[in-house]
Amino acid sequence: NAGVTQTPKFQVLKTGQSMTLQCAQDMNHNSMYWYRQDPGMGLRLIYYSASEGTTDKGEVPNGYNVSRLNKREFSLRLESAAPSQTSVYFCASMRRLTGDTEAFFGQGTRLTVV
Amino acid sequence: KNEVEQSPQNLTAQEGEFITINCSYSVGISALHWLQQHPGGGIVSLFMLSSGKKKHGRLIATINIQEKHSSLHITASHPRDSAVYICAVGLIYGGSQGNLIFGKGTKLSVKP
Repeated sequence: NAGVTQTPKFQVLKTGQSMTLQCAQDMNHNSMYWYRQDPGMGLRLIYYSASEGTTDKGEVPNGYNVSRLNKREFSLRLESAAPSQTSVYFCASMRRLTGDTEAFFGQGTRLTVV
Repeated sequence: KNEVEQSPQNLTAQEGEFITINCSYSVGISALHWLQQHPGGGIVSLFMLSSGKKKHGRLIATINIQEKHSSLHITASHPRDSAVYICAVGLIYGGSQGNLIFGKGTKLSVKP
């Protein structure tokens, strides 16, 4: 089982360029998440999707859009990249157990915007 | 707002030492997660616990719900344990933060 697969692993963009980060999970989870990780800060939620066909803003959604293409795939799009979006991005899928949440993370995408 | 606090932020140990990383939280939780992130790597879940204690190999995680505190212990530490250890709490209700709130992580370096 692959778990959560993110692509690409590394990317360098120029300011103003656009790109889409892809995420897919093979565990049949309903919930999927996009986080960013910056030095000295905990992971911060950008967007999440509680189920296929629904998406919601997280803590830091500005400058991003998402698409929950189907149950497996949840993509994150930067329409016009800015240096402030230089970060490491993680996709996660989660499974609600009885009262608990089991989390699975991708390998991360290291994005630099110059 | 620091709902999840980890200490220490950085930790250097000699191989073989017993290591403790602490996590305190201020919100109502359904479970607490300990995660591991190797340099340049992805995030791996080590433990999910809502009470008591769990052990996996040389790693032990404990939680005290009344005191809102958890500890991650590493016995007989090894250089391959060098990583960032992240505490995350699962919220009873999600909201704009989703299901998990993360601490800032503890960077552990184990010297041979």
